[in-house]
Amino acid sequence: QQQVRQSPQSLTVWEGETAILNCSYEDSTFDYFPWYWQFPRESPALLIAIRPVSNKKEDGRFTIFFNKREKKLSLHITDSQPGDSATYFCAASASSGSWQLIFGSGTQLTVMP
Amino acid sequence: EAGVTQSPRYAVLQEGQAVSFWCDPISGHDTLYWYQQPRDQGPQLLVYFRDEAVIDNSQLPSDRFSAVRPKGTNSTLKIQSAKQGDTATYLCASSRQGNNQAPLFGEGTRLSVL
Repeated sequence: QQQVRQSPQSLTVWEGETAILNCSYEDSTFDYFPWYWQFPRESPALLIAIRPVSNKKEDGRFTIFFNKREKKLSLHITDSQPGDSATYFCAASASSGSWQLIFGSGTQLTVMP
Repeated sequence: EAGVTQSPRYAVLQEGQAVSFWCDPISGHDTLYWYQQPRDQGPQLLVYFRDEAVIDNSQLPSDRFSAVRPKGTNSTLKIQSAKQGDTATYLCASSRQGNNQAPLFGEGTRLSVL
């Protein structure tokens, strides 16, 4: 059973466009949602995270929009740059104390110059 | 501060061979995680420790995999008799309980089982 789902599997945008990556989850006890990005031959790196007390978290060009009722969230990358090309993973945790993260299968983003 | 350190970076084995992976977490991080990341998939938790205690190893294939963290600092993950299906990157991550930040990952060990 896949508890965290991501779509699309791959996404290509032009430089300067906004990329939208989607994530949904099933377990209503999840209370922390980090996004990681991963470049080829590197390990995942923490990008941005949100808790359900907020419906939006912004960090520069990266914004998470969160809909608790629908159990959905999305990562928006504005003014996309070729250097943003990576695989993005949505993750979820049911307890902030243990950080027992469950990852989605990832969205591979390509930003064309 | 130094990040999570893992070794070796790469390992190539024949089926049936054993291999060990080593992880040194970030100083002061009491919680240590081992993840398996098959190619083109997200990381999947195998086991995690708080200090020297195993908190959850339910996803660890116990017949061939073992993990220890005897002094609550460094950790070793061992595969006793590797199979081709074990081919993946093995990631170690660490965090500090009560710290409002998700785990940080090491560079990983890329394992190929031929």
